[in-house]
Amino acid sequence: VQLQESGPGLVKPSQTLSLTCTVSGGSISSASYYWTWIRQPAGKGLEWIGRMYTSGSTKYNPSLKSRVTISVDTSENQFSLKLSSVTAADTAVYYCARGGYRAEYFQYWGQGTLVTVSS
Amino acid sequence: DIQMTQSPSTLSASVGDRVTITCRASQSVSSWLAWYQQKPGKAPKLLIYTASSLESGVPSRFSGSGSGTEFTLTISSLQPDDFATYYCQQYNSYPLTFGGGTKVEI
Repeated sequence: VQLQESGPGLVKPSQTLSLTCTVSGGSISSASYYWTWIRQPAGKGLEWIGRMYTSGSTKYNPSLKSRVTISVDTSENQFSLKLSSVTAADTAVYYCARGGYRAEYFQYWGQGTLVTVSS
Repeated sequence: DIQMTQSPSTLSASVGDRVTITCRASQSVSSWLAWYQQKPGKAPKLLIYTASSLESGVPSRFSGSGSGTEFTLTISSLQPDDFATYYCQQYNSYPLTFGGGTKVEI
């Protein structure tokens, strides 16, 4: 299984950050996994953003909930992250990852993509 | 939210040393705890899940123990490839949370 993030590396303040994660080597429709976004500001720790199940059910970090949308495109074997009203505090490396349905640790990760929020 | 606190934040060690990193949870997470290794510019790599289960392909010098609120990651004999930052993660309840990291340096 491989995951690959893609999207703009620069977003202006107050705009919406949009990233896509393409999954290969496995189906995003599998009932066994959650599809997750995690971020890491430079030099800091990891923050779980949220996850989606193939059924469409989602769970978000309450600290970001009002601004986050995670969606899935099963036809493209992709899932996406949208984070609205971004500020400089949202500058980070964004990772997509696969979590287990019954045990939500992360065995597979994308390489990460740096998103900078700046005018 | 469950707060995960790692100690120490930085650890200086030598090749061959036995290294222990501690992760404490602000409330019980049962055994729903994972450990990751992260090297600069790379994604985290899963080492241990369910507190003590070794991920396939991970060297046996890595081991995990604990339950409830206190957990440890032990590297029995530190190798040059092990110099990295280590994170714990609880998956007992949402939001999932990570520890602040422990940097293992020479």
